[in-house]
Amino acid sequence: KAGVTQTPRYLIKTRGQQVTLSCSPISGHRSVSWYQQTPGQGLQFLFEYFSETQRNKGNFPGRFSGRQFSNSRSEMNVSTLELGDSALYLCASSQGPSASADTQYFGPGTRLTVL
Amino acid sequence: QKEVEQNSGPLSVPEGAIASLNCTYSDRGSQSFFWYRQYSGKSPELIMFIYSNGDKEDGRFTAQLNKASQYVSLLIRDSQPSDSATYLCAVPNSMDSSYKLIFGSGTRLLVRP
Repeated sequence: KAGVTQTPRYLIKTRGQQVTLSCSPISGHRSVSWYQQTPGQGLQFLFEYFSETQRNKGNFPGRFSGRQFSNSRSEMNVSTLELGDSALYLCASSQGPSASADTQYFGPGTRLTVL
Repeated sequence: QKEVEQNSGPLSVPEGAIASLNCTYSDRGSQSFFWYRQYSGKSPELIMFIYSNGDKEDGRFTAQLNKASQYVSLLIRDSQPSDSATYLCAVPNSMDSSYKLIFGSGTRLLVRP
């Protein structure tokens, strides 16, 4: 079974631009979560989608948004990029619907650099 | 108080020794606990999960959970240089059904040859 895939793997943008990252979960998985990882803050939860619905959102500004499609693929968008948005963005997939007895599997991540 | 706390390390052990990694959490409602390994520049890789009090063994890895004391630990027996990585403890948010994992800051493990 193929793992979680994320595209692109690397991205360089300048301040003020916007970016869209894509994630394809493991086949059969319906939950997709997004995390931001930086050296200073560690792994921080961004949002989680299940069946095209956002079920939870982390403490990030509205510039960060996402969506999930009917095939469970997900995208996240960051508008008006800031230098502090430079990070590794990780997508994780799970079978769903409940997190209490399930496991998240991470994709390889997208390394975003904002200049 | 952080929700999930880990000693950042580095924890340095000689090859063949037992490495002991610890994690404490604040949410008494937490039911499941995960250990991920992350090599530098790579994404987190699931090593083990544990739901019940006590020990759970998988190869060279043993997870230990004590819900009364709110800590979970990971023991790595016969440590190898290839085990050198950052180990992340993660606890799902117990307030809803979504997959919000709360991560500790990670413990960096160095296994000396």
